[in-house]
Amino acid sequence: AQSVTQLGSHVSVSEGALVLLRCNYSSSVPPYLFWYVQYPNQGLQLLLKYTSAATLVKGINGFEAEFKKSETSFHLTKPSAHMSDAAEYFCAVREKSSGDKLTFGTGTRLAVRP
Amino acid sequence: KAGVTQTPRYLIKTRGQQVTLSCSPISGHRSVSWYQQTPGQGLQFLFEYFSETQRNKGNFPGRFSGRQFSNSRSEMNVSTLELGDSALYLCASSFIGGTGYEKLFFGSGTQLSVL
Repeated sequence: AQSVTQLGSHVSVSEGALVLLRCNYSSSVPPYLFWYVQYPNQGLQLLLKYTSAATLVKGINGFEAEFKKSETSFHLTKPSAHMSDAAEYFCAVREKSSGDKLTFGTGTRLAVRP
Repeated sequence: KAGVTQTPRYLIKTRGQQVTLSCSPISGHRSVSWYQQTPGQGLQFLFEYFSETQRNKGNFPGRFSGRQFSNSRSEMNVSTLELGDSALYLCASSFIGGTGYEKLFFGSGTQLSVL
């Protein structure tokens, strides 16, 4: 069975600081991995996805994530936080063994301090 | 192209009542998935419909049901509402059914409050 764990339900950074949101998955085979973002009063939208073409994946709004098989991790980073990055971020995994269901982590709420 | 549309945006019901939520996917998308989002549990998968057939189901009681119409629009029904059903219900659509790398397009959700 697949699962995804996001460490830290709340992360606070200063504007201009590095953003690091952690995601670890448990899977016997490399799954399909995604990061979604949810802005207040909105649905989720895709930030980026791991497609096995490259371990470093670049997404929208300057975010990127690195797939590390040895650590079963897919952490999300952004070099310099902007006020508009304040939102909730969800790591998600999809695996055939679970019927292709998309399983989400519990989310990390990012606050950006001026 | 219009996005995923969910109606109504807000609902207030009392315990024991039933409720129906509606989702119109992006034009051309044939798969619709439903998720329940709560502060404590995060996003929980309810079910997925593809071409009017339920293709996948999460671990929710039978009070939660859904259907999909020939135009791909989907409805979700919750009967005998309980306080714990208060949540944001999100609908997502995709073209071929959310497999592999395919991304989901989410609506803004229906906020259900059960009193």
